[in-house]
Amino acid sequence: DTEVTQTPKHLVMGMTNKKSLKCEQHMGHRAMYWYKQKAKKPPELMFVYSYEKLSINESVPSRFSPECPNSSLLNLHLHALQPEDSALYLCASSLAGRGSAEAFFGQGTRLTVV
Amino acid sequence: AQSVAQPEDQVNVAEGNPLTVKCTYSVSGNPYLFWYVQYPNRGLQFLLKYITGDNLVKGSYGFEAEFNKSQTSFHLKKPSALVSDSALYFCAVRDMGNYGQNFVFGPGTRLSVLP
Repeated sequence: DTEVTQTPKHLVMGMTNKKSLKCEQHMGHRAMYWYKQKAKKPPELMFVYSYEKLSINESVPSRFSPECPNSSLLNLHLHALQPEDSALYLCASSLAGRGSAEAFFGQGTRLTVV
Repeated sequence: AQSVAQPEDQVNVAEGNPLTVKCTYSVSGNPYLFWYVQYPNRGLQFLLKYITGDNLVKGSYGFEAEFNKSQTSFHLKKPSALVSDSALYFCAVRDMGNYGQNFVFGPGTRLSVLP
């Protein structure tokens, strides 16, 4: 199973809402990532979890709050977002501590902030 | 810092012709290089990677890539393009400055295969 599952696929939220994005993998990967992708642009790293600990936060605003409750799950909690936060949010996973390991991506959550 | 360049925003090729999508990199040390493909409104799919060894790497869906250390290039190739290969292609390198925890992506190249 080389699948990373993200839910929901689409999300529309108001600027005062609180919502969460979910990501799940069962490949035994201990590195998990959140990326943000704007249209026709490359993915931009937001967060990296390694062995369930936050290891990289790319200066992401606090309205984005990641959580890794166990080795298979990764959440991204959203609160008081801005319209410019509308984007495709991608989750990925890979073997940890292996620079040669490829990452497997989910299909993404298309987020629209209104 | 590690970086990747994809000099062409768009590549057009006729179906059945060979295709090349170009990538050059700048890294300190030995590079770990990757190619990914993205179809509209989808996540990224891994195609192939170079770690070490043979300079010609074979990957999924008939794609291959040629690593050239002297030219710091890692071009993606396919002998015979299909219309279904039309997509956005990203070259990426592991950012070893962050203990290899991050992938640094190139800007992407849109491939259009014309029937």
